Amino acid sequence: ILNVEQSPQSLHVQEGDSTNFTCSFPSSNFYALHWYRWETAKSPEALFVMTLNGDEKKKGRISATLNTKEGYSYLYIKGSQPEDSATYLCAFGDYKLSFGAGTTVTVRA
Amino acid sequence: SQTIHQWPATLVQPVGSPLSLECTVEGTSNPNLYWYRQAAGRGLQLLFYSVGIGQISSEVPQNLSASRPQDRQFILSSKKLLLSDSGFYLCAWNSDEGIEKLFFGSGTQLSVL
Repeated sequence: ILNVEQSPQSLHVQEGDSTNFTCSFPSSNFYALHWYRWETAKSPEALFVMTLNGDEKKKGRISATLNTKEGYSYLYIKGSQPEDSATYLCAFGDYKLSFGAGTTVTVRA
Repeated sequence: SQTIHQWPATLVQPVGSPLSLECTVEGTSNPNLYWYRQAAGRGLQLLFYSVGIGQISSEVPQNLSASRPQDRQFILSSKKLLLSDSGFYLCAWNSDEGIEKLFFGSGTQLSVL
């Protein structure tokens, strides 16, 4: 079981503001880093799968960066909207992913 | 298109009773299949994964077992439930072709009383 840490555990954002949060993972034997969004009463949904150091991925107002040498990834939300409220999970590994506990984002209108 | 079905959505069971949760995938063949559990206040923990029929790997010692009787069917079982088995159980699949994102079922909230 690989240690994947996410911080902060939760955050509140005003609508229209931007925010970011962190996923830390072991820097040795890197394979892939996943980000998922988990909205209340829904299934977790994949946002990004990142495999290369320096990778940057973008999906609408959400983007992610990856630093495999130091073992961290950032997820950014630009101009937060109420529909961005969810728990964001990162996961590390090969086909056996280890998940972090998540960062719960609440966007206030 | 591929879909994943998981049932039941909620389950309340007494301690010592058996358990059977079922997951099926449609629209793909030879998927990797997974059972995850989220205990209260914790992240998703991988319980079992399977790369083919009859091939099950267990990640943590526990009171549960898994079976894959058909290519796209994954079953989570217990002979006698414990209070500590309570949690939210998610089935997931991905392709057997290298690095692939997971597709999750809708989950089962299990309460053992």
